[in-house]
Amino acid sequence: QVQLVESGGGVVQPGRSLRLSCAASGFTFSAYRMNWVRQAPGKGLEWVAFILYDGSNKYYTDSVKGRFSISRDNSKNTLYLQMNSLRIEDTGIYYCARDPGPWGQGTLVTVSS
Amino acid sequence: QTVVTQEPSLTVSPGGTVTLTCASSTGAVTSGYFPNWIQQKPGQAPRALIYSTSDKHSWTPARFSGSLLGGKAALTLSGVQPEDEADYYCLLYYGGPWVFGGGTKLTVL
Repeated sequence: QVQLVESGGGVVQPGRSLRLSCAASGFTFSAYRMNWVRQAPGKGLEWVAFILYDGSNKYYTDSVKGRFSISRDNSKNTLYLQMNSLRIEDTGIYYCARDPGPWGQGTLVTVSS
Repeated sequence: QTVVTQEPSLTVSPGGTVTLTCASSTGAVTSGYFPNWIQQKPGQAPRALIYSTSDKHSWTPARFSGSLLGGKAALTLSGVQPEDEADYYCLLYYGGPWVFGGGTKLTVL
């Protein structure tokens, strides 16, 4: 069955970097657009980034432009989110989501000094 | 700054019908916004229910349906079950970026 498993979350200080991964299985990864979505504690969902099938087009929400980078390796069926210059407000659960679904279970990122 | 607006909360009786809506600050929501609806129960990961206005995933219960209603995207639950109590988010596509609504907390009482 379709499965998306995120990893790479953890506790990091402000200004540092983190790379999230999302391992996909059960479907032809290269045939789907992919997204990262996050949820701050007790808050709603926020779309973060989108990548086209072959990585040729990428979009970001304004608050992460210039700091985050989405990428994919279709040979490894893996989606990535490189997060640099992390801020406290980047804290939350990060979900990998196939367009239009399903979603992974998420990985927690905590930015704290 | 594009804003997507949903009802903050709704209450429905078991077995009843309820419609949640999703409006865009840019004007009427059309099929070109590819409206998605996502369900999230407390302590769980979100689950996609509806995409491209009205298309259902294989796991979406038949009682959920999506449509366009009066310039908004709409999610209708018919024959509501207690397990439908959850937060529901709509998601609209703006030609690159996607934007979530603030979510509707649905209470089944």
